[in-house]
Amino acid sequence: TQLLEQSPQFLSIQEGENLTVYCNSSSVFSSLQWYRQEPGEGPVLLVTVVTGGEVKKLKRLTFQFGDARKDSSLHITAAQPGDTGLYLCAGAQWFQKLVFGTGTRLLVSP
Amino acid sequence: SAVISQKPSRDICQRGTSLTIQCQVDSQVTMMFWYRQQPGQSLTLIATANQGSEATYESGFVIDKFPISRPNLTFSTLTVSNMSPEDSSIYLCSVKGDDYNEQFFGPGTRLTVL
Repeated sequence: TQLLEQSPQFLSIQEGENLTVYCNSSSVFSSLQWYRQEPGEGPVLLVTVVTGGEVKKLKRLTFQFGDARKDSSLHITAAQPGDTGLYLCAGAQWFQKLVFGTGTRLLVSP
Repeated sequence: SAVISQKPSRDICQRGTSLTIQCQVDSQVTMMFWYRQQPGQSLTLIATANQGSEATYESGFVIDKFPISRPNLTFSTLTVSNMSPEDSSIYLCSVKGDDYNEQFFGPGTRLTVL
């Protein structure tokens, strides 16, 4: 069974702080996605990474895929209250079903 | 990305009853998925619903408890049968995107079983 462990499980920070969320597995993935879920909504796709070592930026969010394609990180610069939500990584092996990570709940206070 | 709607958005049900959740997509899609998200937890795949064939269930989920229909390429239903309080969860449908294994989700159905 593929497992994706995220850390930390919960993060409470002040507006303007930086943070990093980690997504780790012992399995190799052909692609990995990051989603954000707000209360009362379904997860929304933020990014897909497919190449080992790949770095993608989405405004204040930076996503990195590990060289061995077993892990990923999400870094948020100058967090804002609008970044509050549940962050989920999800990996797949070559067109198989997605496996979701354990989730990181982020709370950004004004 | 596809636009996905779900009905109902939430419901409170008595134990022993059944609830059917509808998922409508604004475009034709081959693969649709049903997930369960228990309170404070991540997503767990219940089954994959393909049009014209039986749904494929994940370990721990059975057709008698979670029957699924997929009558066409834009619609699917999930029924939660003979409900118990342990079935209280958010149920989400999703569709596979065009790139890699990306998925796009509906807003979810929040189910509470008393």
